[in-house]
Amino acid sequence: DAKTTQPPSMDCAEGRAANLPCNHSTISGNEYVYWYRQIHSQGPQYIIHGLKNNETNEMASLIITEDRKSSTLILPHATLRDTAVYYCIVRVNRNFGNEKLTFGTGTRLTIIP
Amino acid sequence: NAGVTQTPKFQVLKTGQSMTLQCAQDMNHEYMSWYRQDPGMGLRLIHYSVGAGITDQGEVPNGYNVSRSTTEDFPLRLLSAAPSQTSVYFCASTRGGEQYFGPGTRLTVT
Repeated sequence: DAKTTQPPSMDCAEGRAANLPCNHSTISGNEYVYWYRQIHSQGPQYIIHGLKNNETNEMASLIITEDRKSSTLILPHATLRDTAVYYCIVRVNRNFGNEKLTFGTGTRLTIIP
Repeated sequence: NAGVTQTPKFQVLKTGQSMTLQCAQDMNHEYMSWYRQDPGMGLRLIHYSVGAGITDQGEVPNGYNVSRSTTEDFPLRLLSAAPSQTSVYFCASTRGGEQYFGPGTRLTVT
């Protein structure tokens, strides 16, 4: 699976859009970009995933560059509850039941009041 | 829809004791997994199941047993607890690559 690079930490003001970047320059054609987050002491939470088109759901938007070598997760109106570690994962879209889910170190996002 | 539930939330065991961590999901997912997360580290896969009656080992299975008698439940058994098993344990169920995690069980073995 392709490796990802994320900044170790970011701050964002409450109410503003939080834009979290991820580089995945070695991504393969059949690999999806997944985003999860882990709020302190809780289980990781699935946010969104995409292949090449931009995606949006009730939690966030995912923007993938045309060459697919990088992506940005956007939380449109960040709240204090969005403070968490955000993980960008590149994987083939299949069940994870029999595969190690490699979260890496992620980006620690802090929302500032 | 409760999602993935785990009990207990916290547990302290003495070395050599056995116990079962409970996990249940109400989303009718076939795939379920158990992970452990140690401080400052990522998740490591212990055991997984692709459906009722079918289980298999993950990355770190030693010292743990699982069974899957129903689609909903996937308990994890510690046979003889050791201090090295002190960790946070997460259960997850999976649909098409989207993995849903429970709140975790924080286990301390003294």
